Amino acid sequence: DAGITQSPRYKITETGRQVTLMCHQTWSHSYMFWYRQDLGHGLRLIYYSAAADITDKGEVPDGYVVSRSKTENFPLTLESATRSQTSVYFCASSDVPRTSGYEQYFGPGTRLTVT
Amino acid sequence: GNSVTQMEGPVTLSEEAFLTINCTYTATGYPSLFWYVQYPGEGLQLLLKATKADDKGSNKGFEATYRKETTSFHLEKGSVQVSDSAVYFCALSDNAGNMLTFGGGTRLMVKP
Repeated sequence: DAGITQSPRYKITETGRQVTLMCHQTWSHSYMFWYRQDLGHGLRLIYYSAAADITDKGEVPDGYVVSRSKTENFPLTLESATRSQTSVYFCASSDVPRTSGYEQYFGPGTRLTVT
Repeated sequence: GNSVTQMEGPVTLSEEAFLTINCTYTATGYPSLFWYVQYPGEGLQLLLKATKADDKGSNKGFEATYRKETTSFHLEKGSVQVSDSAVYFCALSDNAGNMLTFGGGTRLMVKP
């Protein structure tokens, strides 16, 4: 299917476990982003990537690791999950900003609960 | 740094009422401004955008004008429908266009 997909859609894990959230896009967009959405905070950027093998920190990167070996995939790993990482995670992609009008396309989200 | 402030919700309106959701921003340079909408259980979708001062973005009956003098980008719709019930996010891009800064979101509930 064309577009941007995330998996799993729902995940429950225990404190201290490693969790990986997957994101896949079929548009060959250069840029990909990970956000978390929490009540009272809106969306906050965790990490972003300008191209394969190029990643950079956003506003709230602590406790997260990303990689981007292929243009279409941008997994987000919580190395040792904590309760404060309970959130809804959104992946987004964008073409080179100056040619796309800066529009980002969002996936459906992953609801993660850390117990 | 950049920031976006939106009016807190929820905003509850009757069908066909007039909608205004306020958004103000702080940014250096000349950011682009956006409104995104999030329907229940879904990701965000771009609703409209404006890339320079005095531009008006519009889509699906919604409008917003980029006001540099008041650093505002208020969202308006003349007659809301039940299907407009969603969370609305105001956002701005940095000068390089790489990243978006979002406001906290405003939940709109439209009753029949």
